Amino acid sequence: EAQVTQNPRYLITVTGKKLTVTCSQNMNHEYMSWYRQDPGLGLRQIYYSMNVEVTDKGDVPEGYKVSRKEKRNFPLILESPSPNQTSLYFCASSATGSPFQQYFGPGTRLTVT
Amino acid sequence: DQQVKQNSPSLSVQEGRISILNCDYTNSMFDYFLWYKKYPAEGPTFLISISSIKDKNEDGRFTVFLNKSAKHLSLHIVPSQPGDSAVYFCAASIMYSGGGADGLTFGKGTHLIIQP
Repeated sequence: EAQVTQNPRYLITVTGKKLTVTCSQNMNHEYMSWYRQDPGLGLRQIYYSMNVEVTDKGDVPEGYKVSRKEKRNFPLILESPSPNQTSLYFCASSATGSPFQQYFGPGTRLTVT
Repeated sequence: DQQVKQNSPSLSVQEGRISILNCDYTNSMFDYFLWYKKYPAEGPTFLISISSIKDKNEDGRFTVFLNKSAKHLSLHIVPSQPGDSAVYFCAASIMYSGGGADGLTFGKGTHLIIQP
């Protein structure tokens, strides 16, 4: 089954404790992206990657890091999480030929206290 | 500055009637537009899209209209069904001449409620 998986689905952590949210897709997609969804703000892009070893900032990259060492994986790293990073995070992927029709993962709800 | 705007946070429509969701954009460089649908506890799913070279695209009960001069697009759902109750996001992007595209810019979403 074609899918985008994220782990963990739920996470409660404390300020400053480094964490990684994993994202993996099994569709051989070149394009992958991370979004955060906040009430009243919709979906905002954090980082995206057009292919392996190619990453670029989205609209709200501050406080986040990403890496794309393999085509299928695109982890999101919070080196020193802060409460304003409490949010619902979505990973997405798409084929280069249809970069707009992104497939989204189920989401990771992160709470930073 | 929000480049993609959905000014109605929520919309309530009776089952069987037409639902019209609106979206405005400010960036004239956008040339590809999409609608995504999102149920609670799930990721958004692609619904329908339209290129700026068209003014209408239809897929079953869903039709998207694009008015480039007004920088406005709308999603029509006819007839509306209970399963259509969800949050709908409008999104826009810029296509590259060599293929590929810029990232998606989303609106804040409109919560559509279909009443029996």
